[in-house]
Amino acid sequence: KAGVTQTPRYLIKTRGQQVTLSCSPISGHRSVSWYQQTPGQGLQFLFEYFSETQRNKGNFPGRFSGRQFSNSRSEMNVSTLELGDSALYLCASSSKKDTSAQETQYFGPGTRLLVL
Amino acid sequence: AQSVTQLDSHVSVSEGTPVLLRCNYSSSYSPSLFWYVQHPNKGLQLLLKYTSAATLVKGINGFEAEFKKSETSFHLTKPSAHMSDAAEYFCVVRGNSGGYQKVTFGTGTKLQVIP
Repeated sequence: KAGVTQTPRYLIKTRGQQVTLSCSPISGHRSVSWYQQTPGQGLQFLFEYFSETQRNKGNFPGRFSGRQFSNSRSEMNVSTLELGDSALYLCASSSKKDTSAQETQYFGPGTRLLVL
Repeated sequence: AQSVTQLDSHVSVSEGTPVLLRCNYSSSYSPSLFWYVQHPNKGLQLLLKYTSAATLVKGINGFEAEFKKSETSFHLTKPSAHMSDAAEYFCVVRGNSGGYQKVTFGTGTKLQVIP
């Protein structure tokens, strides 16, 4: 089975721009979660999607949004980029059958975003 | 409330010596616990997980961890370090909170292996 894939792997943007990151989960996985990793804050949960619906959200401003498509692929969008948004954005998928299930998450390689 | 504390931000060991990476957690519910490893410029790879079965969990690459409820700990160990083990390790707790899954990552422990 192919693993979680994320595109693009690297991205450079300037302040004020917006960016869209993509995540394709492992085949058959219906849950996709997004995380932001920075040296200062570590790994922080952004949001989780299950069956095209956002099921859980971390403490990030509204500039961060996402969606999930019927094929379980997910996109994350950040508008009005700030320097502090520079980070590694990780996507993880799991095969859980319902929102309360505890299933192992499998991570993609991440998208490294640099905001200048 | 749910939290994870990785007690050491950096650990340095000599190749061939044992590895101990410490993790303490708190959770209102019976949690699942995980250890992930991240090599430079890579995503996270699952090492092992505890989900209320056996308290001693064996993972990949010779790593294992023991769940000790009385001590609220889930320390990661390996009998003999290899150069390829040099990476950052994250302890993660997942638990139900209001019908949703709450995931909390530790701050990570960087393992250095000295030849």
